[in-house]
Amino acid sequence: DARVTQTPRHKVTEMGQEVTMRCQPILGHNTVFWYRQTMMQGLELLAYFRNRAPLDDSGMPKDRFSAEMPDATLATLKIQPSEPRDSAVYFCASGLVEQFFGPGTRLTVL
Amino acid sequence: GDSVTQMEGPVTLSEEAFLTINCTYTATGYPSLFWYVQYPGEGLQLLLKATKADDKGSNKGFEATYRKETTSFHLEKGSVQVSDSAVYFCALSTQGGSEKLVFGKGTKLTVNP
Repeated sequence: DARVTQTPRHKVTEMGQEVTMRCQPILGHNTVFWYRQTMMQGLELLAYFRNRAPLDDSGMPKDRFSAEMPDATLATLKIQPSEPRDSAVYFCASGLVEQFFGPGTRLTVL
Repeated sequence: GDSVTQMEGPVTLSEEAFLTINCTYTATGYPSLFWYVQYPGEGLQLLLKATKADDKGSNKGFEATYRKETTSFHLEKGSVQVSDSAVYFCALSTQGGSEKLVFGKGTKLTVNP
C-alpha cells in the first residue's frame, strides 16, 4: 500500500530556530506539493515540483522558507528562522493524475 | 483569481440523516472539481471528482454533480454514518488533478449515533 510519508509528525521549537520537514513521495509520482493548513487561512499551497524542478513557489514566504527536492525520493521544506506565526500543519502530497496526501507535520513555534 | 466557497460549518447530524454540503466556485476556463475528506489526525483523501459539466462523481455513498450553469458542486449522501464524521473540502483545479488545487475552507461534519 503505497503512501506519502512525512517526518517528523510533530515538531515543537523556539522562535528563531531552523526547522526542516521531510517528505517521501510515492514511488513513480512526478509531482510533489507542499501545503500549509491553519484554522484561519485553511489550506494554502506553498510550492510544487514536477520532475524535481520547482514549478510554482509563489505561496511561500521567500525570505524564510525554502523547498527542494534533492532526489526523486525526498522533498524538504525548511524554515529559517522560524516564527510563531509559522505554527501550522504542513502537508506534502504527490501525484500523477490525482494528489495523495501525507499525514502532515504539526509544527509549533514558541 | 480562482476560488472555492463552502458552506460554513460545523454540521451536526444524526445517523441515517441526509447530508448536503454546498460548494460553489469561481474559475477561468473549465476546472476539474474535487471533494476531499480529512479524518482526525490524518491527511486529506480524495473522495470523488468530476472533470466536466454534468459529470457526477460518486464514492462510498457520496455524490456530487458538476453544475456549470450554477458553478456548483454540492456534496450529498442519503444516509450518513458515525464513521463519516470528518472535515470535507471542496477544491478545484484549472489544469487537472495533478496540478495545483484551490481549496475551500472545509466543513466539519459530526454524525451522532
